[in-house]
Amino acid sequence: DQQVKQNSPSLSVQEGRISILNCDYTNSMFDYFLWYKKYPAEGPTFLISISSIKDKNEDGRFTVFLNKSAKHLSLHIVPSQPGDSAVYFCAASDKNYGGSQGNLIFGKGTKLSVKP
Amino acid sequence: DGGITQSPKYLFRKEGQNVTLSCEQNLNHDAMYWYRQDPGQGLRLIYYSQIVNDFQKGDIAEGYSVSREKKESFPLTVTSAQKNPTAFYLCASSIARSGTDTQYFGPGTRLTVL
Repeated sequence: DQQVKQNSPSLSVQEGRISILNCDYTNSMFDYFLWYKKYPAEGPTFLISISSIKDKNEDGRFTVFLNKSAKHLSLHIVPSQPGDSAVYFCAASDKNYGGSQGNLIFGKGTKLSVKP
Repeated sequence: DGGITQSPKYLFRKEGQNVTLSCEQNLNHDAMYWYRQDPGQGLRLIYYSQIVNDFQKGDIAEGYSVSREKKESFPLTVTSAQKNPTAFYLCASSIARSGTDTQYFGPGTRLTVL
């Protein structure tokens, strides 16, 4: 059973507009969330993270929102650029996850295409 | 330049052979991880190590083995017992394994079994 879900396999956005990537989780013990960006045949690159004590974290064009009651987080990219085209993975971890604290649980990813 | 290196970038293996994937980091991180990615899938944890000479199985450890003799190195051996070894393998490291330490990834090794 997937604990971290990214229900949209793909998303297409026009350059300059906002990209919104969504992620849902089922484990209420998750308390740290990360977004990674991945190009084909390369390792994921860390983008931004958020702790469960916050509901928003911003870094330049990237903002992550966390709604704990809905077990939902989203990544906003504004304005979107063609270079943002990649697969975006949501990941979660739990400090007290049965001895496996620190292990990340990944979603399946959303492929973002930003068209010029 | 600090970072994580994985070699080789592409690796081909005949069925029935063991193969070892290299992972080295000079970030002075205590924790290291191996993941596997299959098409259309997220990353799945194979093994992790919190400290030198210690490692634990992840979610899909069957058919794999690791060692952690040095802080900067965490090689992964894909054995002939691994039923579907063709995949993209990613190594990562973090300062510690506290649950709030960001993991940083290497460039990956694509293993193809012929």
